[in-house]
Amino acid sequence: EVQLVESGGGLVQPGRSMKLSCAASGFTFSNYGMAWVRQAPTKGLEWVATISYDGSSTYYRDSVKGRFTISRDNAKSTLYLQMNSLRSEDTATYYCTIFSYVFAYWGQGTLVTVSS
Amino acid sequence: DVQMTQSLSYLAASPGESVSISCKASKSISNYLAWYQQKPGEAYKLLIYSGSTLQSGTPSRFSGSGSGTDFTLTIRSLEPEDFGLYYCQQYYEKPYTFGAGTKLELK
Repeated sequence: EVQLVESGGGLVQPGRSMKLSCAASGFTFSNYGMAWVRQAPTKGLEWVATISYDGSSTYYRDSVKGRFTISRDNAKSTLYLQMNSLRSEDTATYYCTIFSYVFAYWGQGTLVTVSS
Repeated sequence: DVQMTQSLSYLAASPGESVSISCKASKSISNYLAWYQQKPGEAYKLLIYSGSTLQSGTPSRFSGSGSGTDFTLTIRSLEPEDFGLYYCQQYYEKPYTFGAGTKLELK
C-alpha cells in the first residue's frame, strides 16, 4: 500500500525558514517523480514544485521560485521541501504527491502557518 | 496560467441519482485533464486522468468526458461514499492548475 507521510510543519515567523519532509513507502520511490501541492485555508489547491525520479529536474511555480527548493533522497525514500523567506501567503497545508503528469497519490498533508 | 472553472460550488443529490460536475478551461488543454476526490479525513484521490481514463480502483460508475475546454465528471447511481469534494486539474502546461472544487452533498 502506498503511504506518503508528511512532517515538519508548524508555526513560523515571516522571513524565516522551514523544511518539510515526506516519508514514502509501499512503492519504489526512486522510480517516480514527486511533487508538493498546497492548499491555503478555505482556498483551492495550488501546485508548488515537482522533481523528477532521479532529482535531475525540478520545476517551481513562480511565486516560490528562488525561495523554495524541492529535493529527494532516494536511499531514504524521502522527499523534501526547503522553504526560505516565508511569507504569510505561504500559509497552507502542504501535500506530498507521487507525480506522473498527474498527482497520483497524496499524503494527508502538514500545516504550515506563517505568522508573527 | 490556464484558469480552471468549476461552475458549481455545491451540488446536492440523493443516493441512487446520477450527477454531472462540469469543468471549463480558459484555453484548450486537449485531454490533459484529471479529476480528484476528497473526503473528510482522507487523502485526496485521483479518480480520472486523460479526461476519461479511470485510475485503477475507481469504480465504474464514475466516468469522464470532454476535450479542449469543456469537461464533465459523471457519477451514475450515487453511493453514500461518493459524497465529498471534487476537483478538476489541467496538466497541459505549467503551472498545473486546479478548479475551485465542487462539493457534492447529500440532499
